[in-house]
Amino acid sequence: ELQLVESGGGLVQPGGSLRLSCAASGFTFSTYAMTWVRQAPGKGLEWVSGMSGSGGTAYYADSVKGRFTISRNNYRNTVYLQMNSLRAEDTAVYYCAKDRSGGWLDDAFDFWGQGTMVTVSS
Amino acid sequence: EIVLTQSPGTLSLSPGERATLSCRTSQSVSGRYLAWYQQKPGQAPRLLIYGSSSRATGIPDRFSGSGSATEFTLTISRLEPEDFAVYYCQHYGISPPGTFGGGTKVEIK
Repeated sequence: ELQLVESGGGLVQPGGSLRLSCAASGFTFSTYAMTWVRQAPGKGLEWVSGMSGSGGTAYYADSVKGRFTISRNNYRNTVYLQMNSLRAEDTAVYYCAKDRSGGWLDDAFDFWGQGTMVTVSS
Repeated sequence: EIVLTQSPGTLSLSPGERATLSCRTSQSVSGRYLAWYQQKPGQAPRLLIYGSSSRATGIPDRFSGSGSATEFTLTISRLEPEDFAVYYCQHYGISPPGTFGGGTKVEIK
């Protein structure tokens, strides 16, 4: 059974850091691109960052560029999102999602985790 | 950057009715890179349609997608009670790899 389980969310002060993890199972992790998408309370979906299956290519939304870093460990079947210099506007549920067809960040997201909540507040 | 505009913001319909949701892109895009998702409260989004018209695995055939260039449509032929939710369109495949529209809420009339 395919599973994506996010962890690492919580309450953090403005300017602080968090590292989110997304543990995958049920598919050949290294052959699929992975993405982080967030959703602020009561708002729509916002694409945050994506990484190719090999880990060689990463993209970031302008809103997080220079503050967030995506990485993956294909031996541990886990993708990470290191979030630094956090702001109130980063408060959201963070979902990880799997690329539908392969490792190149060029397809829709066919499976999503249940999300982890990040709250940035003093 | 391509901007996706969904309309209407809210659609009030009764079970059994037909729902037509629109997604307009700020510039012409390939239909190969247009997807639709459904999201219910407290749940993660679910992929419905990819490549503008291909149903994802397990999606009932009452859901269909169409369109090209700057105008795309998600149609639900006959609304079932479980279809009342928020729907998002997405353009993917080009940097940035995943821009979403603002969503359309389909609510029970």
